[in-house]
Amino acid sequence: AQKVTQAQTEISVVEKEDVTLDCVYETRDTTYYLFWYKQPPSGELVFLIRRNSFDEQNEISGRYSWNFQKSTSSFNFTITASQVVDSAVYFCALGPSGYSTLTFGKGTMLLVS
Amino acid sequence: GAGVSQSPSNKVTEKGKDVELRCDPISGHTALYWYRQSLGQGLEFLIYFQGNSAPDKSGLPSDRFSAERTGGSVSTLTIQRTQQEDSAVYLCASSYQNHFTRDSPLHFGNGTRLTVT
Repeated sequence: AQKVTQAQTEISVVEKEDVTLDCVYETRDTTYYLFWYKQPPSGELVFLIRRNSFDEQNEISGRYSWNFQKSTSSFNFTITASQVVDSAVYFCALGPSGYSTLTFGKGTMLLVS
Repeated sequence: GAGVSQSPSNKVTEKGKDVELRCDPISGHTALYWYRQSLGQGLEFLIYFQGNSAPDKSGLPSDRFSAERTGGSVSTLTIQRTQQEDSAVYLCASSYQNHFTRDSPLHFGNGTRLTVT
């Protein structure tokens, strides 16, 4: 069975603070994919990043960075110098290789004021 | 429009009534997914269509739920004899093949907010 845990239900930060959103996953698959999606107040989920299980290299994209650690089954997401526009619900998701379903975490609501 | 389109955006219905939710995927996308998002919950997979293959219905919560995809494009999710616990946002997503290919992430619509009174 696959499971994604986002332990932080809600995080509030002040603009310009750095914030890390945690994601821990469980899977028996040796090959799998991890995703982060952003859901702003408008409701549409926006794809942020995909990472496969063979690529543990961290990635940075502007103010966003992702830390994938297979040893701890974690795929954490950091926003540097947060902005009000970053306020949204962020979902971590897991999918096996080939088709099956994406298993989503319950999301973390980020409030930047 | 370039995105996934869902209608209606909001639907209020009485308990026991049937409802139909519509999804227009991005043109050319062969894969189509329905998810349900309940308050405080993550996204719950409901059903998946890929081309002409038999759909994966493993996520449908009960036999009151069904979905079809006509002509490999538009999809309709039907909920019969709605219950209050069916209240949620129903999200549709599409992708060119499946979400595991490098350049084919899921593209979500804005969802249909269903309220059963």
